[in-house]
Amino acid sequence: AQTVTQSQPEMSVQEAETVTLSCTYDTSENNYYLFWYKQPPSRQMILVIRQEAYKQQNATENRFSVNFQKAAKSFSLKISDSQLGDTAMYFCAFMNIYSGAGSYQLTFGKGTKLSVIP
Amino acid sequence: GAVVSQHPSRVICKSGTSVKIECRSLDFQATTMFWYRQFPKQSLMLMATSNEGSKATYEQGVEKDKFLINHASLTLSTLTVTSAHPEDSSFYICSARAPQAGSPLHFGNGTRLTVT
Repeated sequence: AQTVTQSQPEMSVQEAETVTLSCTYDTSENNYYLFWYKQPPSRQMILVIRQEAYKQQNATENRFSVNFQKAAKSFSLKISDSQLGDTAMYFCAFMNIYSGAGSYQLTFGKGTKLSVIP
Repeated sequence: GAVVSQHPSRVICKSGTSVKIECRSLDFQATTMFWYRQFPKQSLMLMATSNEGSKATYEQGVEKDKFLINHASLTLSTLTVTSAHPEDSSFYICSARAPQAGSPLHFGNGTRLTVT
Protein backbone atom coordinates (compact mmCIF):
# COMPACT_ATOMS: atom_id res chain seq x y z
CA ALA A 1 0.00 0.00 0.00
CA GLN A 2 1.09 3.52 -0.69
CA THR A 3 1.41 6.22 1.91
CA VAL A 4 1.67 9.96 1.46
CA THR A 5 3.09 12.15 4.20
CA GLN A 6 2.74 15.90 4.53
CA SER A 7 4.70 16.92 7.59
CA GLN A 8 3.56 20.55 7.73
CA PRO A 9 -0.01 20.83 9.07
CA GLU A 10 0.00 24.61 8.70
CA MET A 11 2.12 27.21 6.97
CA SER A 12 1.91 30.92 6.32
CA VAL A 13 3.56 33.20 3.80
CA GLN A 14 3.57 36.89 3.10
CA GLU A 15 1.84 38.01 -0.05
CA ALA A 16 4.25 38.07 -3.03
CA GLU A 17 6.73 35.79 -1.27
CA THR A 18 7.61 32.19 -2.09
CA VAL A 19 6.64 29.15 -0.06
CA THR A 20 7.43 25.45 -0.38
CA LEU A 21 5.13 22.69 0.81
CA SER A 22 6.68 19.30 1.52
CA CYS A 23 5.43 15.85 0.57
CA THR A 24 7.02 12.43 0.78
CA TYR A 25 5.54 9.14 -0.28
CA ASP A 26 6.27 5.48 -0.08
CA THR A 27 5.66 2.97 -2.85
CA SER A 28 7.20 -0.08 -4.42
CA GLU A 29 5.82 0.84 -7.83
CA ASN A 30 7.95 2.38 -10.55
CA ASN A 31 5.19 3.90 -12.64
CA TYR A 32 2.82 6.38 -11.04
CA TYR A 33 1.59 9.95 -10.99
CA LEU A 34 1.82 12.56 -8.30
CA PHE A 35 -0.53 15.48 -7.85
CA TRP A 36 -1.04 18.56 -5.79
CA TYR A 37 -4.66 19.53 -5.21
CA LYS A 38 -5.89 22.75 -3.66
CA GLN A 39 -9.04 22.87 -1.52
CA PRO A 40 -10.20 26.42 -0.73
CA PRO A 41 -12.94 27.13 1.85
CA SER A 42 -15.54 26.27 -0.79
CA ARG A 43 -14.16 22.70 -0.48
CA GLN A 44 -13.91 22.27 -4.25
CA MET A 45 -10.88 20.11 -5.09
CA ILE A 46 -8.80 21.93 -7.68
CA LEU A 47 -5.90 20.32 -9.51
CA VAL A 48 -2.80 22.46 -9.14
CA ILE A 49 -0.09 20.41 -10.83
CA ARG A 50 0.71 16.89 -11.98
CA GLN A 51 3.97 14.96 -12.32
CA GLU A 52 4.53 11.71 -14.16
CA ALA A 53 7.08 9.53 -12.38
CA TYR A 54 8.84 8.58 -15.60
CA LYS A 55 9.60 12.22 -16.40
CA GLN A 56 12.76 13.63 -14.89
CA GLN A 57 11.82 17.21 -15.67
CA ASN A 58 9.95 18.96 -12.90
CA ALA A 59 6.43 20.07 -13.78
CA THR A 60 5.57 23.77 -13.75
CA GLU A 61 2.27 25.61 -14.05
CA ASN A 62 2.66 29.38 -13.99
CA ARG A 63 3.52 30.28 -10.36
CA PHE A 64 3.47 26.65 -9.25
CA SER A 65 6.36 24.26 -9.66
CA VAL A 66 7.45 21.00 -8.11
CA ASN A 67 10.73 19.51 -7.00
CA PHE A 68 10.37 15.82 -7.79
CA GLN A 69 13.08 13.61 -6.34
CA LYS A 70 12.14 10.06 -7.32
CA ALA A 71 14.94 8.29 -5.49
CA ALA A 72 14.16 10.17 -2.31
CA LYS A 73 10.40 9.80 -2.91
CA SER A 74 9.92 13.48 -2.38
CA PHE A 75 7.49 15.78 -4.18
CA SER A 76 7.46 19.35 -2.90
CA LEU A 77 5.35 22.22 -4.23
CA LYS A 78 6.75 25.71 -4.64
CA ILE A 79 4.38 28.64 -4.92
CA SER A 80 6.01 31.80 -6.18
CA ASP A 81 4.61 35.32 -5.85
CA SER A 82 1.98 34.10 -3.38
CA GLN A 83 -1.46 35.64 -3.75
CA LEU A 84 -4.31 35.93 -1.29
CA GLY A 85 -6.31 33.52 -3.40
CA ASP A 86 -3.72 30.85 -2.75
CA THR A 87 -5.01 30.52 0.81
CA ALA A 88 -6.35 26.96 1.00
CA MET A 89 -5.65 23.41 2.09
CA TYR A 90 -3.13 21.73 -0.16
CA PHE A 91 -3.16 17.97 -0.58
CA CYS A 92 -0.40 15.90 -2.07
CA ALA A 93 -1.71 12.77 -3.79
CA PHE A 94 -0.33 9.57 -5.30
CA MET A 95 -1.92 7.58 -8.11
CA ASN A 96 -1.04 4.07 -9.25
CA ILE A 97 -1.43 3.53 -12.96
CA TYR A 98 -1.06 -0.23 -13.25
CA SER A 99 -4.06 -2.16 -14.47
CA GLY A 100 -6.25 -4.05 -12.07
CA ALA A 101 -7.64 -3.42 -8.63
CA GLY A 102 -6.52 -0.18 -7.10
CA SER A 103 -5.49 1.41 -10.34
CA TYR A 104 -6.08 5.12 -10.69
CA GLN A 105 -7.06 5.48 -7.06
CA LEU A 106 -5.74 8.57 -5.33
CA THR A 107 -4.06 8.31 -1.96
CA PHE A 108 -3.97 11.66 -0.21
CA GLY A 109 -1.71 13.13 2.39
CA LYS A 110 -3.26 14.79 5.44
CA GLY A 111 -2.91 18.21 3.92
CA THR A 112 -1.17 21.49 4.65
CA LYS A 113 -3.20 24.55 5.49
CA LEU A 114 -1.60 27.53 3.76
CA SER A 115 -2.42 31.06 4.77
CA VAL A 116 -1.26 33.97 2.63
CA ILE A 117 -0.90 37.07 4.75
CA PRO A 118 -1.51 40.51 3.20
CA GLY B 1 -11.71 20.95 -19.23
CA ALA B 2 -13.50 17.95 -17.81
CA VAL B 3 -16.40 18.75 -15.53
CA VAL B 4 -17.96 16.63 -12.84
CA SER B 5 -21.31 17.65 -11.44
CA GLN B 6 -22.42 16.50 -8.00
CA HIS B 7 -25.88 17.00 -6.53
CA PRO B 8 -27.14 17.99 -4.10
CA SER B 9 -24.55 20.33 -2.64
CA ARG B 10 -26.22 20.28 0.75
CA VAL B 11 -28.81 17.99 2.25
CA ILE B 12 -30.35 17.71 5.67
CA CYS B 13 -32.25 14.56 6.51
CA LYS B 14 -33.79 12.92 9.52
CA SER B 15 -32.23 9.93 11.19
CA GLY B 16 -33.44 6.69 9.64
CA THR B 17 -34.11 8.07 6.19
CA SER B 18 -32.08 7.50 3.03
CA VAL B 19 -30.29 10.08 0.92
CA LYS B 20 -29.11 9.75 -2.68
CA ILE B 21 -26.16 11.72 -4.03
CA GLU B 22 -25.54 11.92 -7.77
CA CYS B 23 -22.23 12.31 -9.56
CA ARG B 24 -22.22 13.03 -13.29
CA SER B 25 -19.37 13.46 -15.73
CA LEU B 26 -20.65 16.16 -18.08
CA ASP B 27 -18.27 16.08 -21.02
CA PHE B 28 -16.54 12.71 -20.89
CA GLN B 29 -17.34 9.07 -20.27
CA ALA B 30 -16.12 7.82 -16.92
CA THR B 31 -15.81 4.07 -16.65
CA THR B 32 -14.60 4.53 -13.10
CA MET B 33 -15.75 6.94 -10.45
CA PHE B 34 -14.57 7.23 -6.88
CA TRP B 35 -16.41 8.23 -3.74
CA TYR B 36 -14.60 9.95 -0.90
CA ARG B 37 -15.60 11.07 2.55
CA GLN B 38 -14.04 14.03 4.31
CA PHE B 39 -14.46 14.85 7.98
CA PRO B 40 -13.79 18.43 9.15
CA LYS B 41 -10.14 19.42 8.97
CA GLN B 42 -9.17 16.00 7.69
CA SER B 43 -8.08 14.55 4.39
CA LEU B 44 -10.17 12.70 1.84
CA MET B 45 -10.70 9.04 2.58
CA LEU B 46 -11.61 6.71 -0.26
CA MET B 47 -14.86 4.90 0.41
CA ALA B 48 -15.36 2.92 -2.77
CA THR B 49 -14.54 2.59 -6.43
CA SER B 50 -17.54 2.60 -8.74
CA ASN B 51 -17.21 0.70 -12.00
CA GLU B 52 -19.76 1.09 -14.77
CA GLY B 53 -21.86 -2.02 -15.18
CA SER B 54 -20.40 -3.91 -12.24
CA LYS B 55 -20.40 -3.94 -8.47
CA ALA B 56 -18.54 -1.28 -6.58
CA THR B 57 -15.36 -2.11 -4.72
CA TYR B 58 -15.48 -0.92 -1.12
CA GLU B 59 -12.55 0.01 1.05
CA GLN B 60 -11.98 -1.83 4.28
CA GLY B 61 -14.30 -0.63 7.02
CA VAL B 62 -16.93 0.84 4.69
CA GLU B 63 -20.31 -0.83 5.01
CA LYS B 64 -21.53 -1.70 1.53
CA ASP B 65 -25.11 -2.21 2.74
CA LYS B 66 -25.14 1.27 4.21
CA PHE B 67 -23.45 3.08 1.35
CA LEU B 68 -25.08 1.76 -1.80
CA ILE B 69 -23.29 2.66 -5.01
CA ASN B 70 -24.77 2.33 -8.46
CA HIS B 71 -22.91 3.12 -11.68
CA ALA B 72 -25.63 2.52 -14.24
CA SER B 73 -24.12 4.49 -17.11
CA LEU B 74 -20.81 5.88 -18.27
CA THR B 75 -21.72 9.32 -16.98
CA LEU B 76 -23.60 8.71 -13.75
CA SER B 77 -22.79 7.16 -10.41
CA THR B 78 -24.98 7.43 -7.33
CA LEU B 79 -24.24 7.00 -3.65
CA THR B 80 -27.20 6.23 -1.40
CA VAL B 81 -26.73 6.55 2.33
CA THR B 82 -29.32 4.20 3.76
CA SER B 83 -30.90 4.51 7.19
CA ALA B 84 -28.77 7.54 7.88
CA HIS B 85 -27.57 8.30 11.40
CA PRO B 86 -25.99 11.46 12.82
CA GLU B 87 -22.53 9.86 12.61
CA ASP B 88 -22.98 9.68 8.83
CA SER B 89 -22.96 13.47 8.73
CA SER B 90 -19.95 14.40 6.65
CA PHE B 91 -18.75 15.86 3.37
CA TYR B 92 -18.96 13.40 0.48
CA ILE B 93 -17.03 14.01 -2.73
CA CYS B 94 -17.08 12.08 -5.96
CA SER B 95 -14.43 12.04 -8.63
CA ALA B 96 -14.18 10.70 -12.13
CA ARG B 97 -11.42 10.02 -14.55
CA ALA B 98 -11.44 10.45 -18.29
CA PRO B 99 -10.18 7.36 -20.14
CA GLN B 100 -7.11 9.02 -21.70
CA ALA B 101 -3.81 7.78 -20.30
CA GLY B 102 -2.49 10.04 -17.60
CA SER B 103 -5.78 11.82 -17.03
CA PRO B 104 -6.08 13.21 -13.51
CA LEU B 105 -9.17 12.77 -11.40
CA HIS B 106 -11.75 15.53 -11.64
CA PHE B 107 -13.83 16.20 -8.59
CA GLY B 108 -17.41 17.16 -8.01
CA ASN B 109 -18.17 20.08 -5.70
CA GLY B 110 -19.08 17.77 -2.87
CA THR B 111 -22.20 17.18 -0.80
CA ARG B 112 -22.51 18.26 2.80
CA LEU B 113 -24.79 15.76 4.53
CA THR B 114 -26.31 16.59 7.89
CA VAL B 115 -28.36 13.94 9.64
CA THR B 116 -30.53 15.24 12.46
